[in-house]
Amino acid sequence: TQLLEQSPQFLSIQEGENLTVYCNSSSVFSSLQWYRQEPGEGPVLLVTVVTGGEVKKLKRLTFQFGDARKDSSLHITAAQPGDTGLYLCAGTDGGSQGNLIFGKGTKLSVKP
Amino acid sequence: NAGVTQTPKFQVLKTGQSMTLQCAQDMNHEYMSWYRQDPGMGLRLIHYSVGAGITDQGEVPNGYNVSRSTTEDFPLRLLSAAPSQTSVYFCASSRTGRYGYTFGSGTRLTVV
Repeated sequence: TQLLEQSPQFLSIQEGENLTVYCNSSSVFSSLQWYRQEPGEGPVLLVTVVTGGEVKKLKRLTFQFGDARKDSSLHITAAQPGDTGLYLCAGTDGGSQGNLIFGKGTKLSVKP
Repeated sequence: NAGVTQTPKFQVLKTGQSMTLQCAQDMNHEYMSWYRQDPGMGLRLIHYSVGAGITDQGEVPNGYNVSRSTTEDFPLRLLSAAPSQTSVYFCASSRTGRYGYTFGSGTRLTVV
């Protein structure tokens, strides 16, 4: 059974600070996807990384896929209150792209 | 485009009752999935489909049935509801699975 471990589980920071969220596994994934979820809504896709070592940037968010395709990180620069939410990583294996496994998420709170 | 539409948004069932959660997408996506989200457990995959007529079990399939007769629809059936099935249910769809999913806004189910 593939598992994705996310850390930290909770993060409370002040506006303007930087933060990093980690997503780790002992399994190799063919893709790693990052989602953001707000209360009462479904997750919304932020980015997908598919190549080992790949780095993608989305404004103040930087996503990295590990060289061995077993881990990923999300770095937010100069966090803003609008970044508050639940951040989820999810991975697919090569055998079945329909079997998308989620980590338990990181709940981020950014205080003004 | 409506995206992924889930109905109903809220439902209360008595133990032993059956019901069907509806999910429809208008993006011609081949991949569709059902998840449940519980506090502290993250999103767990119930069943998924990689095309019309093809379904497979996820991590927590017991007590749930699915079928996929059309590309657009992927209903989830609870045969005999139990309090342990109280949860928020999300349906999601994707063109390829590997590059990310679009989620519906969820169905909040309470079994009493």
